[in-house]
Amino acid sequence: EPEVTQTPSHQVTQMGQEVILRCVPISNHLYFYWYRQILGQKVEFLVSFYNNEISEKSEIFDDQFSVERPDGSNFTLKIRSTKLEDSAMYFCASSESSPGAYGYTFGSGTRLTVV
Amino acid sequence: RKEVEQDPGPFNVPEGATVAFNCTYSNSASQSFFWYRQDCRKEPKLLMSVYSSGNEDGRFTAQLNRASQYISLLIRDSKLSDSATYLCVVIHSGYSTLTFGKGTMLLVSP
Repeated sequence: EPEVTQTPSHQVTQMGQEVILRCVPISNHLYFYWYRQILGQKVEFLVSFYNNEISEKSEIFDDQFSVERPDGSNFTLKIRSTKLEDSAMYFCASSESSPGAYGYTFGSGTRLTVV
Repeated sequence: RKEVEQDPGPFNVPEGATVAFNCTYSNSASQSFFWYRQDCRKEPKLLMSVYSSGNEDGRFTAQLNRASQYISLLIRDSKLSDSATYLCVVIHSGYSTLTFGKGTMLLVSP
């Protein structure tokens, strides 16, 4: 079964540093997403990406965050000047088309710990 | 405010029991509905979509009541492997993003 692959599985960084979280979506999928889940909280939408541009973003996704699809396979989330409250599980997801009927496929996540 | 509300549980049931989870959503323009399952510290995995007419997948039955803005999930003949957190998820009209509830934890014991 096709998978969404995320690396690294766990990232520890010092406050104020920049991190890049990497994702390889399923190859024929066109829509890409980042979500995050703070420990004990619900899964929250960050950003969606389609046709090489951001299609939607939440209020969480401020100037500290950026996304990029640097080549035909990778989809990255960059977090600049990390804060303690950025510690969370970050999930990448992709869907073949508008996910109305079928939802998404999520990657196994990157656990980000900011110290 | 777009919200999805669930009873956090935990629901503790013995193997073989039938258990039901409920979910309410606040945005009447919501158009698509799902139940996801999440194991501890793992990614959400799609369990089933929820259709207006109700739908069944093996031991799992999902129901949608648009008038009451209410979604349910029924699990029959619970297995130990059903222990997980069940997430109610909606997509609001005009968006492609998922809005998650906080989840209901199920613990199935021998």
